[in-house]
Amino acid sequence: DGGITQSPKYLFRKEGQNVTLSCEQNLNHDAMYWYRQDPGQGLRLIYYSQIVNDFQKGDIAEGYSVSREKKESFPLTVTSAQKNPTAFYLCASSISLPGRRLNTEAFFGQGTRLTVV
Amino acid sequence: AQSVAQPEDQVNVAEGNPLTVKCTYSVSGNPYLFWYVQYPNRGLQFLLKYITGDNLVKGSYGFEAEFNKSQTSFHLKKPSALVSDSALYFCAVRAPGSSNTGKLIFGQGTTLQVKP
Repeated sequence: DGGITQSPKYLFRKEGQNVTLSCEQNLNHDAMYWYRQDPGQGLRLIYYSQIVNDFQKGDIAEGYSVSREKKESFPLTVTSAQKNPTAFYLCASSISLPGRRLNTEAFFGQGTRLTVV
Repeated sequence: AQSVAQPEDQVNVAEGNPLTVKCTYSVSGNPYLFWYVQYPNRGLQFLLKYITGDNLVKGSYGFEAEFNKSQTSFHLKKPSALVSDSALYFCAVRAPGSSNTGKLIFGQGTTLQVKP
């Protein structure tokens, strides 16, 4: 069954703690993205990666880190430097072939809801 | 700067009536436009996209969208709404640029409420 799997579905973080959100895809997509969703603000891009071992900051990268060691995996770490991490986090992937990068839709995982306790 | 606007936070329609969810965009160059739907505590599902060609695009679940270049709009429509269409709808755009990163830029979302 192809798709994007995010885990866990719910995650609780204590103050000052780092947590890592998992994102795995078996769609053979090159590009992967992390978005943060807050009520009334739509989706904001945190980090994205067009290819293995390469990634770029999005619009709200402060307090977050990522790695892309494998094509299938793009984990997101929410560090203690992120002062307001409570949000719904969405991972996405898309084809990134030259000439097709812009006209292909992105596929999304089911999300991870992170709450600070 | 590239941006997408969804001017209505919420749209209310009666079941069986036509629905429209509005989207306008601001990009340089020719845009690639997308609509997604999100049900509570779930990820986004792709509905349809406009790349080029016919301005009326048909998508999943009976939805369609009309691209209007002069008004820079891409409104989502459905001739007859269902209660099960109630969800959060996002418009998104990708635009050609020197970086060509493929990033999607999203509107803030519109909640569609269909009442029986």
